[in-house]
Amino acid sequence: AQTVTQSQPEMSVQEAETVTLSCTYDTSESDYYLFWYKQPPSRQMILVIRQEAYKQQNATENRFSVNFQKAAKSFSLKISDSQLGDAAMYFCAYRRPTYSGAGSYQLTFGKGTKLSVIP
Amino acid sequence: SQTIHQWPATLVQPVGSPLSLECTVEGTSNPNLYWYRQAAGRGLQLLFYSVGIGQISSEVPQNLSASRPQDRQFILSSKKLLLSDSGFYLCAWSVGRGIIGYTFGSGTRLTVV
Repeated sequence: AQTVTQSQPEMSVQEAETVTLSCTYDTSESDYYLFWYKQPPSRQMILVIRQEAYKQQNATENRFSVNFQKAAKSFSLKISDSQLGDAAMYFCAYRRPTYSGAGSYQLTFGKGTKLSVIP
Repeated sequence: SQTIHQWPATLVQPVGSPLSLECTVEGTSNPNLYWYRQAAGRGLQLLFYSVGIGQISSEVPQNLSASRPQDRQFILSSKKLLLSDSGFYLCAWSVGRGIIGYTFGSGTRLTVV
């Protein structure tokens, strides 16, 4: 079974600085999908960024980018120019390949990293 | 545009009482629908998913059940709540198998007392 590990329960960053959140996962599959979700105090899960394992290029979305290291099974999230609104829980998630049948519907989540932004 | 509605936002129920949480999606047809539970200090756990009306798959055995009476309606139920059912419940939908991600509702905080 796939597992997702976020080794940093909490992190903090100064406003306007850069922070990197870590995520590692365990899988024997090759064509999978990775996501970062943000959960602000409102508790609604918001998709931040996604990465397809068969693409070597790291995904970017404005101030958010990932460092995808497939061989190391690492998927870190970098937030540049941090803003107060970035304060939230961040969850890394893994999705199995589409050819894996019924099991491919499930997103496996890490336990999250709580990010605080210091003014 | 697609929207997902989930209610109620908060709920306090006594042990042994029934439960019904509702989720509806607008602006899309034949979505895949999901119920997740988030326990304190843990990530999200998939409870049920549905690929069509009346089609429900359960990922974990539990005191809960799900139903999909209409294409864009997904209901989470229990006949008798347990203390361990307390948590934050999130409904989500995806196009197809969700390779571009899921869209989540705003969640329901359930406290069983």
